[in-house]
Amino acid sequence: GAGVSQSPSNKVTEKGKDVELRCDPISGHTALYWYRQSLGQGLEFLIYFQGNSAPDKSGLPSDRFSAERTGGSVSTLTIQRTQQEDSAVYLCASSFQGATNTGELFFGEGSRLTVL
Amino acid sequence: KQEVTQIPAALSVPEGENLVLNCSFTDSAIYNLQWFRQDPGKGLTSLLLIQSSQREQTSGRLNASLDKSSGRSTLYIAASQPGDSATYLCAAGSYNTDKLIFGTGTRLQVFP
Repeated sequence: GAGVSQSPSNKVTEKGKDVELRCDPISGHTALYWYRQSLGQGLEFLIYFQGNSAPDKSGLPSDRFSAERTGGSVSTLTIQRTQQEDSAVYLCASSFQGATNTGELFFGEGSRLTVL
Repeated sequence: KQEVTQIPAALSVPEGENLVLNCSFTDSAIYNLQWFRQDPGKGLTSLLLIQSSQREQTSGRLNASLDKSSGRSTLYIAASQPGDSATYLCAAGSYNTDKLIFGTGTRLQVFP
């Protein structure tokens, strides 16, 4: 597609429920990133994919968080048993090769998650 | 561990002013430095990318400089306009990792 697409744009859920957030990167981009932005905070790195593998998932806050990428394209971030502190905007970005190669990241509009 | 700091956290200026946004990073072994713009409720838009071998990049009224030895980058905005109002974030890409480390941003308001 023309840009990075994320869905849903907004998600309100009850505490304890599971949620799935989807990211469709720019066609041909092999690198895909998930970041989290909490209210008034900077961007917090969650996980990085190169193709379908995740060489760096050091930013995932707990084992309730997981992500996968299939076909070197679409990625899904899953949060199990959501907690109120999970409320944030989850941003996805893609890059042609990786931050240390081409460097330029293209971001989606984000998925705003609210846990009641 | 790379840490990125941006000063000031917020800035309010009248239209037409030239202004400078500052970004500092602790690990000078960066591969590149990127500046982004974020409008309220939106994702990030890439403004300028400076590779470690470069000193500056320019795009229209924007100019970004990089001084690795001092761990600093500046974003210069000439002749500011109300449409420039947004949050500006810088991010450093390190040799040791393929991820960008972001600063907390400078929230800019340009009033008519």
